[in-house]
Amino acid sequence: EAGVAQSPRYKIIEKRQSVAFWCNPISGHATLYWYQQILGQGPKLLIQFQNNGVVDDSQLPKDRFSAERLKGVDSTLKIQPAKLEDSAVYLCASSLLTSGSSTDTQYFGPGTRLTVL
Amino acid sequence: AQSVTQLGSHVSVSEGALVLLRCNYSSSVPPYLFWYVQYPNQGLQLLLKYTTGATLVKGINGFEAEFKKSETSFHLTKPSAHMSDAAEYFCAVRPTGGGNKLTFGTGTQLKVEL
Repeated sequence: EAGVAQSPRYKIIEKRQSVAFWCNPISGHATLYWYQQILGQGPKLLIQFQNNGVVDDSQLPKDRFSAERLKGVDSTLKIQPAKLEDSAVYLCASSLLTSGSSTDTQYFGPGTRLTVL
Repeated sequence: AQSVTQLGSHVSVSEGALVLLRCNYSSSVPPYLFWYVQYPNQGLQLLLKYTTGATLVKGINGFEAEFKKSETSFHLTKPSAHMSDAAEYFCAVRPTGGGNKLTFGTGTQLKVEL
């Protein structure tokens, strides 16, 4: 079974530029998550989709970050314009179920490491 | 709100020695508890989880963790460390009342020395 795919793996941009990340979840997984992992910290949830609807985006800086999940499959996360403090690893995860079942497990992709200069 | 505290951002053990990584949670209701491992330049991989039932949970790669409600702890152990265990370990919680949101600790970097 293919895992969660992300691209690019690495990205270096200058502040005020725009950047986009792509995620392809495990086939059939209803829920997709984007996390931000700043160096030395644990991952922090940015946004959660169930199918193509947003469930939780309470920690997404909406003035510069946006995300979409068209057709309930692939997802893109965009930053426009980027700031120095956006330097982090952006992790995508997916899980099979839409509810918080005890059996539901999140599977993570390899992440995209963003460096903002 | 739920939170997780991992004591010790860096832990170093000798190969063959006991591994103990500490995790304490804060929650009004005992949550679901998880341990993930992250190898360099890779995503997070689930080691084990506690949801209900037996409080001693066995995971992959010889790791296990015990849920202790009275201590609000979920420490991760492995009897004998191997060089391949060197990685970063994250404890996480998720509410039992619905929702999938994981809240992670700040991680513990495990170093295994010869």
